[in-house]
Amino acid sequence: EAQVTQNPRYLITVTGKKLTVTCSQNMNHEYMSWYRQDPGLGLRQIYYSMNVEVTDKGDVPEGYKVSRKEKRNFPLILESPSPNQTSLYFCASSLSPGRDYGYTFGSGTRLTVV
Amino acid sequence: AQTVTQSQPEMSVQEAETVTLSCTYDTSENNYYLFWYKQPPSRQMILVIRQEAYKQQNATENRFSVNFQKAAKSFSLKISDSQLGDTAMYFCAFMRGGGATNKLIFGTGTLLAVQP
Repeated sequence: EAQVTQNPRYLITVTGKKLTVTCSQNMNHEYMSWYRQDPGLGLRQIYYSMNVEVTDKGDVPEGYKVSRKEKRNFPLILESPSPNQTSLYFCASSLSPGRDYGYTFGSGTRLTVV
Repeated sequence: AQTVTQSQPEMSVQEAETVTLSCTYDTSENNYYLFWYKQPPSRQMILVIRQEAYKQQNATENRFSVNFQKAAKSFSLKISDSQLGDTAMYFCAFMRGGGATNKLIFGTGTLLAVQP
């Protein structure tokens, strides 16, 4: 089944403790992206990647890192999480940028930072 | 910069009735795509319908249709014969065509409740 797999689904952590949210897709998509969803703000792009070793900042990149060492994986790293990063996170992938080939979203990660 | 505005934070409709969700956007681009996504309580993001800006014909998917007014920069979603399973948050989204980022720009969402 074609899908984007995110883990974990829920995560509670403490301020300053490094964490990684994993994202993997099995569709050979070039383009991958991370969004965060906050009430009253909709979804906002954090980082995106157009292909292996090619990443760039989205609209709200502060406090996050990403890497794209393999085509299928695009982890989101919070080096020192803070409470304002409490949010619902989505990973998404698309065949390639420039045209709408359709997005596939992961099932989301609910992160709480205390 | 592009923006997407959904002015109805919450709406309610009776089962089997019709409801229209509003969305306006701002862009200077000519090549773009517009989308409606549904997010049920399971929080999965589900594509409901998409519209390519260069197509004048309004998109339709079963009970879902859009009213795309390009000059007015309006993209409303009509749900006919509403069902309980339509209860969800609905997001309007914009994507520039031909760009390098494929970034989706989302509105703030409309929470739709379908009442039995």
